[in-house]
Amino acid sequence: KAGVTQTPRYLIKTRGQQVTLSCSPISGHRSVSWYQQTPGQGLQFLFEYFSETQRNKGNFPGRFSGRQFSNSRSEMNVSTLELGDSALYLCASSPGQGYTGELFFGEGSRLTVL
Amino acid sequence: SQQGEEDPQALSIQEGENATMNCSYKTSINNLQWYRQNSGRGLVHLILIRSNEREKHSGRLRVTLDTSKKSSSLLITASRAADTASYFCARDNQGGKLIFGQGTELSVKP
Repeated sequence: KAGVTQTPRYLIKTRGQQVTLSCSPISGHRSVSWYQQTPGQGLQFLFEYFSETQRNKGNFPGRFSGRQFSNSRSEMNVSTLELGDSALYLCASSPGQGYTGELFFGEGSRLTVL
Repeated sequence: SQQGEEDPQALSIQEGENATMNCSYKTSINNLQWYRQNSGRGLVHLILIRSNEREKHSGRLRVTLDTSKKSSSLLITASRAADTASYFCARDNQGGKLIFGQGTELSVKP
């Protein structure tokens, strides 16, 4: 069974640009969540999607958005990039509603904002 | 902050020694999970302990949970150089939303 796939793995953007990151969950998993990891703030929850609906949202500005498609693949978008958005963005999948077990993480997308 | 606290922040030991990492949290939990991360890569799940469990084992890993003290510890026995990584505890909150600690950076010297 293939794991969680995140693309692109690395990208460099400049301030003011926008970026879209993609996540393909494990086959059969319907929940996808996103996390931001920075040296200063650590791992922080961004949002979670289940069946194309956002179920939970972390404390991030509106520049951070996401969506989930009918095949459970998810994208997150960051608009008007700031230097502080440089981070490793991790996606995780899980089976879905009512599940209280481990999350399955991808390798992450490392974003550098210049 | 909602995030739990882990200590120590960094730990350096010799191969063969045991490594103990501690995690504290502030609110009630469904479960507490431990993850490992190698050098800025993805997180790998190690072990999950539910709120009604006190101790759990998996290979060389032993996790304890004290809900009265809101704390957990991860013990890695007979450490190997390949155990060098960052270790994070994560509190399950609302399923699918994990609240992570700041992590412990473990270095195991051959």
